Amino acid sequence: ETGVTQTPRHLVMGMTNKKSLKCEQHLGHNAMYWYKQSAKKPLELMFVYNFKEQTENNSVPSRFSPECPNSSHLFLHLHTLQPEDSALYLCASSHPKRDRVSYEQYFGPGTRLTVT
Amino acid sequence: RKEVEQDPGPFNVPEGATVAFNCTYSNSASQSFFWYRQDCRKEPKLLMSVYSSGNEDGRFTAQLNRASQYISLLIRDSKLSDSATYLCVVSSGPNRDDKIIFGKGTRLHILP
Repeated sequence: ETGVTQTPRHLVMGMTNKKSLKCEQHLGHNAMYWYKQSAKKPLELMFVYNFKEQTENNSVPSRFSPECPNSSHLFLHLHTLQPEDSALYLCASSHPKRDRVSYEQYFGPGTRLTVT
Repeated sequence: RKEVEQDPGPFNVPEGATVAFNCTYSNSASQSFFWYRQDCRKEPKLLMSVYSSGNEDGRFTAQLNRASQYISLLIRDSKLSDSATYLCVVSSGPNRDDKIIFGKGTRLHILP
């Protein structure tokens, strides 16, 4: 079983649609992350969950809504997106260190999102 | 000065050569440093953490220079499979809510 899985791998949606991205990790980690990777830009950290509690929200627009029902699953709910939201959305997980997140992270393959 | 800066490359290097690239960071309080590699259209994968004393893993050596605020990655006896984009990752500070910042990456092409 692959360490971190993401579904769907590709998604095309209109600006009025609502969709969700799913991430699942099989590594026994307790911290999970959502990242956005746009062309010619560095990875941008969007959300961090540590033991199911959201510990970081990097000024992400409210049209992105994360959900972490347990330490193995992470969702990103999408609604009324804009074309500039088209990007690769990556999920990652890690063991937290003490009360801090660890940046030794394991990434899923990503969901390539196109907003039309 | 950008928070994390890398030469985008590409570095075109013949197979078997040694290649090195640096990553500079602006926050002197940064605590954690990593190198990830990302193959084309794939997810990033942790290559190695960078410790204060430097560390080596096979053909790869990572070093930290706090005085000049940069980390480096050296690849010896380069292989075709080393072709990838190398991402520098820095935590922005020592506190619990410190930020993680990725560089844009350095592209490396190993030439046969």
